[in-house]
Amino acid sequence: QVQLHESGPGLVKPSETLSLTCAVSGGSISSHYWSWIRQSPGKGLEWIGYIYYNGKTEYNPSLKSRVTTSIDASKKQFSLNLRSVTAADTAVYYCTATLGGYKFDYWSQGTLVTVSS
Amino acid sequence: DIQMTQSPSSVSASVGDRVTITCRASQGIDDWIAWYQQKPGKAPKLLIFAASGVQSGVPPRFSGRGSGTDFTLTITSLQPEDFATYYCQQASSFPLTFGPGTKVDIK
Repeated sequence: QVQLHESGPGLVKPSETLSLTCAVSGGSISSHYWSWIRQSPGKGLEWIGYIYYNGKTEYNPSLKSRVTTSIDASKKQFSLNLRSVTAADTAVYYCTATLGGYKFDYWSQGTLVTVSS
Repeated sequence: DIQMTQSPSSVSASVGDRVTITCRASQGIDDWIAWYQQKPGKAPKLLIFAASGVQSGVPPRFSGRGSGTDFTLTITSLQPEDFATYYCQQASSFPLTFGPGTKVDIK
């Protein structure tokens, strides 16, 4: 059973970078692929992007210009950086694990990130 | 992008009722759809994958059907723990997209 726990600041200033890290336990980081999803009242659930254990990425075009993800297999964690944030980026952010197909098998508990000065 | 729509947006039901939620994709996605249940303050939970595959540990009262553009999630004999919001998600092409959700609440 894969368990995911994200960490990072809950408050980010406008124009700065939102950074989150997701720690993986109970599974192999090379046997799954990893994703970030966010949920805001205004936009519902929004897929941000995937990262594979080999570092290959797929991003949502709506965020691609501002998103970077990375993976550290030795630490069993992966990370999200979202640049130049605005209030519209305020949301609960989830990290997820996919075993196969493009569905989301396991989810973290979610962390609320508020963009405000 | 493939747009996912759901109907109804909310439904009031009683324990023991049969509830069916519909999801429609803006273009054909074969059977590349998943369904999730979300309770307040919690992360979504995968219920159904590949249109009709029931995730391990999910009660058999949950079932999914459909192919192409039209899909359904059915809950037979609604239980108290089933009152939640349900989302569909297309897994056919990037960007992956979700429906807006259907809230199932107590009548």
